[in-house]
Amino acid sequence: SAVISQKPSRDICQRGTSLTIQCQVDSQVTMMFWYRQQPGQSLTLIATANQGSEATYESGFVIDKFPISRPNLTFSTLTVSNMSPEDSSIYLCSVSKGPDTEAFFGQGTRLTVV
Amino acid sequence: AQTVTQSQPEMSVQEAETVTLSCTYDTSESDYYLFWYKQPPSRQMILVIRQEAYKQQNATENRFSVNFQKAAKSFSLKISDSQLGDAAMYFCAYRSIGGSTLGRLYFGRGTQLTVWP
Repeated sequence: SAVISQKPSRDICQRGTSLTIQCQVDSQVTMMFWYRQQPGQSLTLIATANQGSEATYESGFVIDKFPISRPNLTFSTLTVSNMSPEDSSIYLCSVSKGPDTEAFFGQGTRLTVV
Repeated sequence: AQTVTQSQPEMSVQEAETVTLSCTYDTSESDYYLFWYKQPPSRQMILVIRQEAYKQQNATENRFSVNFQKAAKSFSLKISDSQLGDAAMYFCAYRSIGGSTLGRLYFGRGTQLTVWP
């Protein structure tokens, strides 16, 4: 199993500012992903965080808006840049040790942009 | 791209009764995983059950079982002897195990399950 610490758990931010969300895992994992869950909606994959290289973004998400770092096998950050109210959402980190193993999720960061 | 469809935005069931949640998916891959996740109000995603596509036998986990129809690309979840604690949002998810989408999870829109005492 993997225990994920995601911080902050919630934040209220002014539009135009940036917020960095951290995802810390208690063991090394091969895969780390970032998802967005808008209120009452499903989870949408933002990007795959690649260790030592640039993240792989899904259609509709770009690096300038959602820069991601993954310096090692236990830690990643997602930054939401130049925020607008449309960015208000829950952001979740997910990890797994392989494509055929269970995916674990952090408790999410509830972001409100005012 | 893989898509997952849950056609039931809301379902309800009486305590101790059985309920089935539907899920269909679209893929051109021959091998993959399917999951049902539960998300209570705490937001924590909890794995309920998983199914490997190469296995014909339907997965079961205590009161939870699936009906996996690979040819029809259907993956329904049956909850038997429903309990109040089963009330949550349930997400069906597809996971690639190869190619450019390796390891990524694709989710349906969810089914909100209410359990009545």
